[in-house]
Amino acid sequence: GENVEQHPSTLSVQEGDSAVIKCTYSDSASNYFPWYKQELGKRPQLIIDIRSNVGEKKDQRIAVTLNKTAKHFSLHITETQPEDSAVYFCAAALTDSWGKLQFGAGTQVVVTP
Amino acid sequence: DVKVTQSSRYLVKRTGEKVFLECVQDMDHENMFWYRQDPGLGLRLIYFSYDVKMKEKGDIPEGYSVSREKKERFSLILESASTNQTSMYLCASSRAGISYEQYFGPGTRLTVT
Repeated sequence: GENVEQHPSTLSVQEGDSAVIKCTYSDSASNYFPWYKQELGKRPQLIIDIRSNVGEKKDQRIAVTLNKTAKHFSLHITETQPEDSAVYFCAAALTDSWGKLQFGAGTQVVVTP
Repeated sequence: DVKVTQSSRYLVKRTGEKVFLECVQDMDHENMFWYRQDPGLGLRLIYFSYDVKMKEKGDIPEGYSVSREKKERFSLILESASTNQTSMYLCASSRAGISYEQYFGPGTRLTVT
């Protein structure tokens, strides 16, 4: 089955700096890669996703890049703000997975003023 | 507005008890999921259902069973609770297909003593 590894497990950044979280996946048949954000005490919510026919996608201060050859994808947050402090999960889905996601272990991002 | 609700936010049970966790969604979603969330391990899929009475095992089904008698309701059952099942349990739902957002419930913090 699919295996997703996520690094780093914790990330501390100064407000205004950029943050990058990297994930690798094992199954080359995976073709959908969402990112979820979970604030403290709240439920995970989708923040951005990318499909395998796209190399990069941006939404305001967040962007995701995908390298299918290397089987890795990354989340980039620019101009970080305190409200970006959360746990971020990457995930991957196979074409025939009925919508099942394989999640990474998560990255705790702390933005310090 | 999508709403996924879970029957309890906090639950304390004794070893050996049978435990029922219930999840209800109001968006007519085909897919429903049960995850377990533990620090450093991310979101691990326990069971998945893609239709009424249909289910598939996830990555960690041992010690759990599920029931989906109605489209909007998905129940997780711990047949004989054990201390290693102390965890946060998250339910999610989504439309059928691989690239639809999963909407999560608020979670149930289960403690087995």
